[in-house]
Amino acid sequence: AQSVTQLGSHVSVSEGALVLLRCNYSSSVPPYLFWYVQYPNQGLQLLLKYTSAATLVKGINGFEAEFKKSETSFHLTKPSAHMSDAAEYFCAVSDQGSQGNLIFGKGTKLSVKP
Amino acid sequence: AAGVIQSPRHLIKEKRETATLKCYPIPRHDTVYWYQQGPGQDPQFLISFYEKMQSDKGSIPDRFSAQQFSDYHSELNMSSLELGDSALYFCASSLRTVNTEAFFGQGTRLTVV
Repeated sequence: AQSVTQLGSHVSVSEGALVLLRCNYSSSVPPYLFWYVQYPNQGLQLLLKYTSAATLVKGINGFEAEFKKSETSFHLTKPSAHMSDAAEYFCAVSDQGSQGNLIFGKGTKLSVKP
Repeated sequence: AAGVIQSPRHLIKEKRETATLKCYPIPRHDTVYWYQQGPGQDPQFLISFYEKMQSDKGSIPDRFSAQQFSDYHSELNMSSLELGDSALYFCASSLRTVNTEAFFGQGTRLTVV
């Protein structure tokens, strides 16, 4: 069985500060891992994904994540937060057979203070 | 670029009524996924279809059914609606033959009153 755990349901940072959103996964098979962003009343937009190639994955809007097998983690980072980054972020896992059959974490709401 | 289209965007129904949600995948995508996201919750996988056949089944209630048609669009049919069915319903599509990631639609917000 697969699962993801997102540590912290709310994270607040100042504009220009480092963003760090934590995600740990559990999987009995090599996983595919994803970060999605959701703005209020909007759909889910893929930020980045790990599919067993490079362990450091760069995504859109300046975000990146590093797959660490030893720590079973896939934390999302951005060096400098922007007001427009305020949204809900979901970490998700799938098996390698179907990238659309996703198990999501509970989500982390990111607030950015001016 | 064309995206996943869902209709309607908003729907209000009364308890015990039925609802039909539609999803039009990205052109040439062969797989459709349905998710339910309750208020303040994470999305939960309901069901998926590949080449018009059900491929995976998640936590879809027996009152719900879905299908994928020959033009690859999909419909989620919901009967005997309950207040707890109020949620955002997402459809996503992918091209399974090359195992792309899923692209999500904007969702249909269903409110049951």
